[in-house]
Amino acid sequence: AQKVTQAQTEISVVEKEDVTLDCVYETRDTTYYLFWYKQPPSGELVFLIRRNSFDEQNEISGRYSWNFQKSTSSFNFTITASQVVDSAVYFCALSEKRGAQKLVFGQGTRLTINP
Amino acid sequence: GAGVSQTPSNKVTEKGKYVELRCDPISGHTALYWYRQSLGQGPEFLIYFQGTGAADDSGLPNDRFFAVRPEGSVSTLKIQRTERGDSAVYLCASSFGRGIADTQYFGPGTRLTVL
Repeated sequence: AQKVTQAQTEISVVEKEDVTLDCVYETRDTTYYLFWYKQPPSGELVFLIRRNSFDEQNEISGRYSWNFQKSTSSFNFTITASQVVDSAVYFCALSEKRGAQKLVFGQGTRLTINP
Repeated sequence: GAGVSQTPSNKVTEKGKYVELRCDPISGHTALYWYRQSLGQGPEFLIYFQGTGAADDSGLPNDRFFAVRPEGSVSTLKIQRTERGDSAVYLCASSFGRGIADTQYFGPGTRLTVL
């Protein structure tokens, strides 16, 4: 069965610190996709990144970077030089071939960046 | 272009009543999804439409929940005989319908409160 675990319920850091959000997944499929979404206080889920199971290259987008490691079934998200606007709940999600197109989400990590 | 829209943004109802929640997907998206998000949790899949047909309704909790998409665009989630446990934010998402690689784009949600 597919499952996503975000063990960090809440993280609080001071602005400009780097912070890493952990995501561990379980799947029996060899073909799957991993996603990160941001949910700011307004409530709308905002898509950040998609990664397929055959591409383990890390990705960087500005202050955001993602580390995908199949050996540990992890897809971690790092924010460098955090800013107050990064405060939100972040969700990791998985879609697998057997699960049709539904997303399975983790419980989310609430990130608070303090000025 | 316009994103996914959902109406109403808030709905308060009494236990036992019937409610309808509406979702208008992004133009050109053939796939539409409903999720439910309880407080402090990640979204949970309810149902997925490809065109007019429900391709996967495995997440609907019981037969009080029903969804339609008669013309392959707007969808309505219907809940009969509402219970207090139905209180949650109901999220709608849409995508191009290309399979598990699709990125789902979410609407702002409808917050349902059952008194």
